[in-house]
Amino acid sequence: KAGVTQTPRYLIKTRGQQVTLSCSPISGHRSVSWYQQTPGQGLQFLFEYFSETQRNKGNFPGRFSGRQFSNSRSEMNVSTLELGDSALYLCASSTDVYNEQFFGPGTRLTVL
Amino acid sequence: AQSVTQPDIHITVSEGASLELRCNYSYGATPYLFWYVQSPGQGLQLLLKYFSGDTLVQGIKGFEAEFKRSQSSFNLRKPSVHWSDAAEYFCAGEQGGSEKLVFGKGTKLTVNP
Repeated sequence: KAGVTQTPRYLIKTRGQQVTLSCSPISGHRSVSWYQQTPGQGLQFLFEYFSETQRNKGNFPGRFSGRQFSNSRSEMNVSTLELGDSALYLCASSTDVYNEQFFGPGTRLTVL
Repeated sequence: AQSVTQPDIHITVSEGASLELRCNYSYGATPYLFWYVQSPGQGLQLLLKYFSGDTLVQGIKGFEAEFKRSQSSFNLRKPSVHWSDAAEYFCAGEQGGSEKLVFGKGTKLTVNP
């Protein structure tokens, strides 16, 4: 069974731009969560989607948004990029049974 | 607030030596607990998990962890470390059903030959 895939793997943007990251969960997984990883703040929860509905949200500004499609694929969007948004963005999927989350390789976003 | 603490930022051990990485949690009720490992430039790989029941949990790659409710701890152990174990290790907790993992800051493991 294929793992969680994230595209693109690397992105370079400039301040003020917006970006969309994509995540394809493991087949059969209906829950997708997003995390931001930075050297200073560590791993922080962004939001979680299940069956196209956002169930949980972390403490991030409204510039961070996401959605989930009927095939469970998910996208997250960051608008009006700031330098501090430079991070590794990780996506994780689960079956929502025992809450074991499987992580993708991440998208490395650099904001210049 | 829910939190997970890893007191050691960096640990160095010699190959073949035993390893213990510490993790403490602060939750209102016993959370689900996890240990993940991250190699440079990679995502997170689950080593083991604790939901309930037996407090000694076996994981992959020869790792185990012991849940101690009295100490609010979930320490990761390995009897003999291999050079390939060098990576960063993250402890995480989740209030059951929330799908929201709270991570510790991580412990970077260096293995000397």
